[in-house]
Amino acid sequence: GAVVSQHPSWVICKSGTSVKIECRSLDFQATTMFWYRQFPKQSLMLMATSNEGSKATYEQGVEKDKFLINHASLTLSTLTVTSAHPEDSSFYICSAAGGPWETQYFGPGTRLLVL
Amino acid sequence: KQEVTQIPAALSVPEGENLVLNCSFTDSAIYNLQWFRQDPGKGLTSLLLIQSSQREQTSGRLNASLDKSSGRSTLYIAASQPGDSATYLCAVREAAGNKLTFGGGTRVLVKP
Repeated sequence: GAVVSQHPSWVICKSGTSVKIECRSLDFQATTMFWYRQFPKQSLMLMATSNEGSKATYEQGVEKDKFLINHASLTLSTLTVTSAHPEDSSFYICSAAGGPWETQYFGPGTRLLVL
Repeated sequence: KQEVTQIPAALSVPEGENLVLNCSFTDSAIYNLQWFRQDPGKGLTSLLLIQSSQREQTSGRLNASLDKSSGRSTLYIAASQPGDSATYLCAVREAAGNKLTFGGGTRVLVKP
């Protein structure tokens, strides 16, 4: 149980385009989902907390107009990187909080390469 | 603001040796602490979760201890194997809320 999927697993796009990444909790409902970014050989940095039916809460330094988050249902959150640039190239990982203790379960990650 | 530090950043040992990975955190008001494994280019695999009221957790060759008052946790991996080669991350969950703060990770290489 407690499986989280992400789609796509990797994406290559041209600079200036927008990319949407989906995060799904497959066998449980998640009121809260989280989006992290990980640069090579670095740790995970929380970008934003996504609550179903409300606006996401962004961490300091994360541009909310650039990283659009939508959490329209209890099993799906999406992250859209708008007008992507090479510096946005990174590994994006989501997690979904579930169970009685709201434990975070992590997705397999999405690798984004912006050319 | 919670800060999590992992020492060493990298570790290389011959197969069979025991591994000791350290994690320290600045704010002792935590809900739990979790150890993860990450293989290159992959997501996170949860290894052990220690609640703030617990002192240790064990799973097979893995043992994690927690000393909340001193802000430290240690992950022990007994009789290391080449398959244990990966990056190990510790993460602290804050007492109020659900945010996780990750350490920088320890890259482990177990040589056959």
